[in-house]
Amino acid sequence: QKEVEQNSGPLSVPEGAIASLNCTYSDRGSQSFFWYRQYSGKSPELIMSIYSNGDKEDGRFTAQLNKASQYVSLLIRDSQPSDSATYLCAVRRSVSSNTGKLIFGQGTTLQVKP
Amino acid sequence: DVKVTQSSRYLVKRTGEKVFLECVQDMDHENMFWYRQDPGLGLRLIYFSYDVKMKEKGDIPEGYSVSREKKERFSLILESASTNQTSMYLCASSSTGAYGYTFGSGTRLTVV
Repeated sequence: QKEVEQNSGPLSVPEGAIASLNCTYSDRGSQSFFWYRQYSGKSPELIMSIYSNGDKEDGRFTAQLNKASQYVSLLIRDSQPSDSATYLCAVRRSVSSNTGKLIFGQGTTLQVKP
Repeated sequence: DVKVTQSSRYLVKRTGEKVFLECVQDMDHENMFWYRQDPGLGLRLIYFSYDVKMKEKGDIPEGYSVSREKKERFSLILESASTNQTSMYLCASSSTGAYGYTFGSGTRLTVV
């Protein structure tokens, strides 16, 4: 079992719809969770971080964390073609908190069709 | 904004050459990381450093070494480049604590 798992996709949604991206992790002691967006040929860009159970909203993006079920999700409302990218989930394990090392999922490719 | 600068965007080297990839960050971050990213394999950690002159192996350190003589600079060295080291190389930095990484723009290395 991979430490951080994501469905590779592609996830295809029509413009204006809600895109839902999911991620599960195996280390129950994980403390910090991040979503990165990566456009083709570019480097990953941090778009959301979440540390406690519940929802965190930033503009059209909402991150959701459920530590009991060990999953974190990213919702993108009113999806735009410019949201088409690969979304990487990253988790900081409890044992690596001092060094800051993140464990990345393989990423989910999102395609938003006009 | 935190800036992580990688010295080259594209690089072409010959098999057997010694290759240096440089990374500089300007926000006094303690932690620095080198990853490679290949299609279907995701991000794989090569080496990381949490302090000057400190380094730890990541998941795929074979064929690589690193140097961190100053806090702001973290260099990745390919001792003898091989074609299977053709990849996108990403440097990242972070502050100690519950923070995410900031990535550099990446170096696409081709070994011929």
